[in-house]
Order: sequence, then structure tokens, then C-alpha cells
Amino acid sequence: EPEVTQTPSHQVTQMGQEVILRCVPISNHLYFYWYRQILGQKVEFLVSFYNNEISEKSEIFDDQFSVERPDGSNFTLKIRSTKLEDSAMYFCASRGMTRTSTDTQYFGPGTRLTVL
Amino acid sequence: GQQLNQSPQSMFIQEGEDVSMNCTSSSIFNTWLWYKQEPGEGPVLLIALYKAGELTSNGRLTAQFGITRKDSFLNISASIPSDVGIYFCAGQLGGSEKLVFGKGTKLTVNP
Repeated sequence: EPEVTQTPSHQVTQMGQEVILRCVPISNHLYFYWYRQILGQKVEFLVSFYNNEISEKSEIFDDQFSVERPDGSNFTLKIRSTKLEDSAMYFCASRGMTRTSTDTQYFGPGTRLTVL
Repeated sequence: GQQLNQSPQSMFIQEGEDVSMNCTSSSIFNTWLWYKQEPGEGPVLLIALYKAGELTSNGRLTAQFGITRKDSFLNISASIPSDVGIYFCAGQLGGSEKLVFGKGTKLTVNP
């Protein structure tokens, strides 16, 4: 069964450093998302991406964040200057286009980001 | 912003028991989803609901989209040890791409 993959599984970085989290969405999907989950808390929406542009973003997704689809398979989240409070699990998700049983968001396994 | 109130926060049950959890909101959602998350993993989709009043099953799991579109419940029948995990409800508003998640129900099943 196709699945969303994410790399790395765990990223440790120093405060102020830039990080890039990578995702490979399910191959025929057209909508891509990033969510985060601070330890012990609920999953929070960051951004959605469709047709090579951001379609929706939350208040969390400030100027320090950016997303890119650099090629036909990868989808990345960049945090320009990490802060301690950016430590969290970051989940990528993707969905198809038609309103069928596949028109739901499927999540990757996540990248655990630790900012020291 | 939109909030989902999910209850209970945690449940401790014996293997074989049935489980029920629910989510409510003051907002009307177009879609309700139920996910399960195990430690160190991403949320895995269990059931998706698209119509008010819809009742859908997936094996031992049954979920319903409330008629007011402001609530949903998930039932698990005859629980087994591998049902342990955190169950999240998520709602999607009309015209929005984002999923709004509940805080989760942590399920522990004692063999």
C-alpha cells in the first residue's frame, strides 16, 4: 500500500540553525500538508500546498517557515532560524483530488525535531 | 479558532470490553475523521465520515457523523491488546484544507 515517507526520523539542531525536513507524498496525490505535534499535545495544522503554492496556513506558520516542492516527488519544510519552541514531531500528509475514499489526508511517520 | 472537545482523555479497560469515545464542537464540520496514533508513529486513518448521520464501520470499529454536524463518536467492540494507542478525532470545515484535531483519547487495554 502506498505511504507517505519522511526523512530524517530524528533531527537534532542548535537554536538559530536552519533545518529542512523532507517528505515524499503518495505518488498520485496533489495536496500536501505539514502538521506538528508538541510532545503530549494535539496535532496542529501548519500549512497546505497545492499546485505549487500555499493554499492555506495557520498563525504558527510565520516568516521563519517555508515550504517547497523542488521536484516531482519531494515536499520540504524549512525552518530558517530554529527556536527552542520549534521542538516537536513534524508530520507530512498528502491527499488525492477526487471526493472518494481516497480524498482524506494520509500522514507520514513524522520527523522528531529537537532544538537545543 | 475552532476547537474539538474529545472525551474521555484516557481509558483503562479489560480485553474484550467495548469502548466509546466522542468529539464535540461548536463549529459545523463537513468531514469527520478518526485516526489512531501509536508511540513514535504518525496518525493512521481509521474511518472517514462525509455526511451528517453517516454510520460507518471498519472491522470492530464503528463511527458516526452527528446529525448536527458538530459531533462524532467512535466505538470499538471486543477490544484487544493491540487496540492500545491514542485515538484522535479530526474535523474539516467547508472551504478549508486544514484538519482540526481533538486532544486525543489514550486507550489502555489490559489482557
